[in-house]
Amino acid sequence: DTEVTQTPKHLVMGMTNKKSLKCEQHMGHRAMYWYKQKAKKPPELMFVYSYEKLSINESVPSRFSPECPNSSLLNLHLHALQPEDSALYLCASSQSGVSSTDTQYFGPGTRLTVL
Amino acid sequence: EDQVTQSPEALRLQEGESSSLNCSYTVSGLRGLFWYRQDPGKGPEFLFTLYSAGEEKEKERLKATLTKKESFLHITAPKPEDSATYLCAVYNAGGTSYGKLTFGQGTILTVHP
Repeated sequence: DTEVTQTPKHLVMGMTNKKSLKCEQHMGHRAMYWYKQKAKKPPELMFVYSYEKLSINESVPSRFSPECPNSSLLNLHLHALQPEDSALYLCASSQSGVSSTDTQYFGPGTRLTVL
Repeated sequence: EDQVTQSPEALRLQEGESSSLNCSYTVSGLRGLFWYRQDPGKGPEFLFTLYSAGEEKEKERLKATLTKKESFLHITAPKPEDSATYLCAVYNAGGTSYGKLTFGQGTILTVHP
Protein backbone atom coordinates (compact mmCIF):
# COMPACT_ATOMS: atom_id res chain seq x y z
CA ASP A 1 0.00 0.00 0.00
CA THR A 2 1.48 3.33 -1.09
CA GLU A 3 -1.31 5.66 -0.03
CA VAL A 4 -0.91 9.21 1.13
CA THR A 5 -4.14 10.94 2.14
CA GLN A 6 -4.83 14.66 2.24
CA THR A 7 -7.70 16.67 3.69
CA PRO A 8 -9.58 18.67 2.71
CA LYS A 9 -9.82 18.05 -1.04
CA HIS A 10 -10.91 21.62 -1.66
CA LEU A 11 -10.51 24.76 0.47
CA VAL A 12 -11.71 28.29 -0.13
CA MET A 13 -10.47 30.95 2.27
CA GLY A 14 -10.32 34.69 2.64
CA MET A 15 -7.09 36.58 3.09
CA THR A 16 -7.72 37.04 6.81
CA ASN A 17 -8.58 33.42 7.57
CA LYS A 18 -6.50 30.79 9.32
CA LYS A 19 -6.80 27.26 8.01
CA SER A 20 -4.79 24.03 8.00
CA LEU A 21 -4.06 21.34 5.45
CA LYS A 22 -3.52 17.80 6.70
CA CYS A 23 -1.56 14.89 5.31
CA GLU A 24 -1.30 11.33 6.61
CA GLN A 25 0.60 8.21 5.63
CA HIS A 26 0.71 4.78 7.26
CA MET A 27 3.57 3.29 5.28
CA GLY A 28 6.17 3.87 7.98
CA HIS A 29 7.87 6.49 5.82
CA ARG A 30 10.29 8.81 7.62
CA ALA A 31 10.41 11.73 5.19
CA MET A 32 7.39 13.89 4.34
CA TYR A 33 7.15 16.77 1.90
CA TRP A 34 4.93 19.73 1.00
CA TYR A 35 4.81 20.90 -2.60
CA LYS A 36 2.91 23.71 -4.30
CA GLN A 37 1.75 23.29 -7.88
CA LYS A 38 0.35 26.03 -10.10
CA ALA A 39 -1.62 25.24 -13.24
CA LYS A 40 0.45 23.74 -16.07
CA LYS A 41 3.62 23.85 -13.95
CA PRO A 42 5.54 21.07 -12.17
CA PRO A 43 5.40 20.74 -8.38
CA GLU A 44 7.62 23.15 -6.43
CA LEU A 45 9.14 21.97 -3.16
CA MET A 46 8.19 23.96 -0.06
CA PHE A 47 9.24 21.96 3.01
CA VAL A 48 10.78 18.61 3.89
CA TYR A 49 10.56 16.83 7.23
CA SER A 50 13.06 14.05 7.78
CA TYR A 51 12.61 11.93 10.91
CA GLU A 52 10.09 14.52 12.15
CA LYS A 53 12.57 17.38 11.95
CA LEU A 54 12.37 20.22 9.44
CA SER A 55 15.16 19.42 7.01
CA ILE A 56 14.53 21.71 4.06
CA ASN A 57 12.71 25.05 3.92
CA GLU A 58 12.71 26.54 0.45
CA SER A 59 12.46 30.12 1.69
CA VAL A 60 8.70 29.92 1.81
CA PRO A 61 6.86 33.02 3.18
CA SER A 62 6.05 32.83 6.88
CA ARG A 63 2.32 32.82 6.15
CA PHE A 64 2.90 29.09 5.49
CA SER A 65 3.84 27.20 8.65
CA PRO A 66 4.55 23.46 8.56
CA GLU A 67 4.16 21.09 11.48
CA CYS A 68 5.00 17.40 11.89
CA PRO A 69 3.23 16.12 15.04
CA ASN A 70 4.47 12.55 14.53
CA SER A 71 5.96 10.32 11.87
CA SER A 72 2.60 9.72 10.17
CA LEU A 73 1.17 13.22 10.11
CA LEU A 74 2.11 16.46 8.41
CA ASN A 75 0.21 19.73 8.64
CA LEU A 76 0.49 23.00 6.78
CA HIS A 77 -0.95 25.97 8.66
CA LEU A 78 -2.12 28.87 6.53
CA HIS A 79 -2.56 32.46 7.66
CA ALA A 80 -3.05 35.78 5.84
CA LEU A 81 -2.63 34.21 2.42
CA GLN A 82 -2.67 36.13 -0.84
CA PRO A 83 -4.70 35.32 -3.97
CA GLU A 84 -1.47 34.26 -5.71
CA ASP A 85 -1.18 31.46 -3.16
CA SER A 86 -4.10 29.72 -4.84
CA ALA A 87 -2.76 26.39 -6.11
CA LEU A 88 -2.82 22.62 -5.69
CA TYR A 89 -0.93 21.71 -2.51
CA LEU A 90 0.62 18.27 -2.59
CA CYS A 91 1.94 16.13 0.21
CA ALA A 92 4.43 13.33 -0.45
CA SER A 93 6.35 10.80 1.59
CA SER A 94 9.38 8.57 1.10
CA GLN A 95 10.69 5.61 3.05
CA SER A 96 13.97 6.89 4.46
CA GLY A 97 15.29 10.30 5.35
CA VAL A 98 15.82 13.10 2.89
CA SER A 99 19.36 11.95 2.09
CA SER A 100 18.11 8.73 0.51
CA THR A 101 17.17 8.05 -3.09
CA ASP A 102 13.78 6.57 -2.28
CA THR A 103 10.72 7.13 -4.39
CA GLN A 104 8.39 9.90 -3.28
CA TYR A 105 4.70 8.97 -3.22
CA PHE A 106 2.23 11.80 -3.61
CA GLY A 107 -1.20 12.35 -2.15
CA PRO A 108 -4.20 13.54 -4.19
CA GLY A 109 -3.66 17.17 -3.23
CA THR A 110 -5.73 19.99 -1.75
CA ARG A 111 -7.07 22.56 -4.19
CA LEU A 112 -6.74 25.91 -2.38
CA THR A 113 -8.49 29.06 -3.52
CA VAL A 114 -7.73 32.36 -1.76
CA LEU A 115 -10.30 35.09 -2.30
CA GLU B 1 22.64 24.49 -12.18
CA ASP B 2 20.71 21.23 -12.33
CA GLN B 3 18.25 21.10 -15.21
CA VAL B 4 15.61 18.70 -16.48
CA THR B 5 14.08 19.27 -19.91
CA GLN B 6 11.17 17.30 -21.28
CA SER B 7 10.09 17.13 -24.90
CA PRO B 8 7.79 17.50 -26.60
CA GLU B 9 5.67 19.86 -24.49
CA ALA B 10 2.52 18.27 -25.93
CA LEU B 11 1.95 15.13 -27.95
CA ARG B 12 -1.22 14.05 -29.71
CA LEU B 13 -1.52 10.41 -30.78
CA GLN B 14 -4.14 8.24 -32.34
CA GLU B 15 -5.10 5.17 -30.37
CA GLY B 16 -2.58 2.45 -31.16
CA GLU B 17 0.08 4.88 -32.46
CA SER B 18 3.27 4.19 -30.48
CA SER B 19 5.67 7.00 -29.57
CA SER B 20 8.28 8.18 -27.06
CA LEU B 21 8.64 11.01 -24.57
CA ASN B 22 12.07 12.42 -23.81
CA CYS B 23 13.62 13.64 -20.57
CA SER B 24 17.14 15.08 -20.78
CA TYR B 25 18.96 16.05 -17.63
CA THR B 26 22.03 17.91 -16.45
CA VAL B 27 22.83 17.25 -12.80
CA SER B 28 25.99 17.24 -10.75
CA GLY B 29 25.42 13.64 -9.73
CA LEU B 30 22.37 11.59 -10.66
CA ARG B 31 20.95 9.66 -7.73
CA GLY B 32 17.74 8.53 -9.35
CA LEU B 33 15.37 9.45 -12.19
CA PHE B 34 11.63 9.16 -11.69
CA TRP B 35 8.65 9.11 -14.02
CA TYR B 36 5.22 10.14 -12.80
CA ARG B 37 1.83 10.38 -14.45
CA GLN B 38 -0.50 13.20 -13.42
CA ASP B 39 -4.18 13.56 -14.27
CA PRO B 40 -5.74 17.06 -14.11
CA GLY B 41 -6.33 18.25 -10.54
CA LYS B 42 -4.77 15.14 -8.99
CA GLY B 43 -1.46 14.26 -7.42
CA PRO B 44 1.36 12.68 -9.44
CA GLU B 45 1.15 8.88 -9.65
CA PHE B 46 4.47 7.05 -9.47
CA LEU B 47 5.42 5.01 -12.54
CA PHE B 48 9.14 4.15 -12.57
CA THR B 49 12.46 4.72 -10.83
CA LEU B 50 15.73 4.34 -12.76
CA TYR B 51 19.13 4.55 -11.07
CA SER B 52 21.81 3.67 -13.60
CA ALA B 53 22.49 4.01 -17.34
CA GLY B 54 21.22 1.02 -19.28
CA GLU B 55 18.43 0.29 -16.86
CA GLU B 56 14.96 -0.41 -18.28
CA LYS B 57 11.59 -0.91 -16.60
CA GLU B 58 8.20 -1.84 -18.01
CA LYS B 59 4.61 -1.58 -16.88
CA GLU B 60 1.76 -2.50 -19.20
CA ARG B 61 2.10 -0.25 -22.29
CA LEU B 62 4.91 1.85 -20.80
CA LYS B 63 8.66 1.26 -20.89
CA ALA B 64 11.25 3.59 -19.37
CA THR B 65 14.92 3.62 -20.34
CA LEU B 66 17.92 5.56 -19.04
CA THR B 67 21.21 6.73 -20.55
CA LYS B 68 23.86 9.00 -19.04
CA LYS B 69 22.14 12.08 -20.45
CA GLU B 70 18.48 11.26 -20.97
CA SER B 71 15.56 8.99 -20.32
CA PHE B 72 12.81 7.89 -22.65
CA LEU B 73 9.27 6.84 -21.82
CA HIS B 74 8.06 4.61 -24.63
CA ILE B 75 4.32 4.15 -25.05
CA THR B 76 3.26 1.15 -27.09
CA ALA B 77 -0.22 1.04 -28.66
CA PRO B 78 -1.61 3.77 -26.39
CA LYS B 79 -5.23 3.98 -25.35
CA PRO B 80 -7.30 7.10 -24.57
CA GLU B 81 -6.94 6.36 -20.84
CA ASP B 82 -3.19 6.95 -21.19
CA SER B 83 -3.94 10.64 -21.73
CA ALA B 84 -2.25 12.59 -18.92
CA THR B 85 0.74 14.78 -18.14
CA TYR B 86 3.92 12.77 -17.74
CA LEU B 87 6.51 14.24 -15.40
CA CYS B 88 10.19 13.38 -15.17
CA ALA B 89 12.21 14.21 -12.04
CA VAL B 90 15.76 13.67 -10.80
CA TYR B 91 17.33 13.59 -7.36
CA ASN B 92 20.27 15.94 -6.96
CA ALA B 93 23.50 14.80 -5.36
CA GLY B 94 25.32 17.95 -4.46
CA GLY B 95 25.39 21.46 -3.14
CA THR B 96 22.32 23.22 -1.87
CA SER B 97 20.07 20.97 -3.96
CA TYR B 98 21.05 17.85 -2.00
CA GLY B 99 18.06 15.62 -1.38
CA LYS B 100 15.67 17.56 -3.61
CA LEU B 101 13.74 16.46 -6.67
CA THR B 102 14.05 18.64 -9.76
CA PHE B 103 11.08 18.25 -12.09
CA GLY B 104 10.83 18.81 -15.80
CA GLN B 105 7.96 20.86 -17.18
CA GLY B 106 6.08 17.74 -18.25
CA THR B 107 4.69 16.37 -21.50
CA ILE B 108 0.93 16.57 -22.03
CA LEU B 109 -0.12 13.40 -23.83
CA THR B 110 -3.50 13.19 -25.57
CA VAL B 111 -4.59 9.92 -27.15
CA HIS B 112 -7.55 10.14 -29.50
CA PRO B 113 -9.84 7.13 -30.07
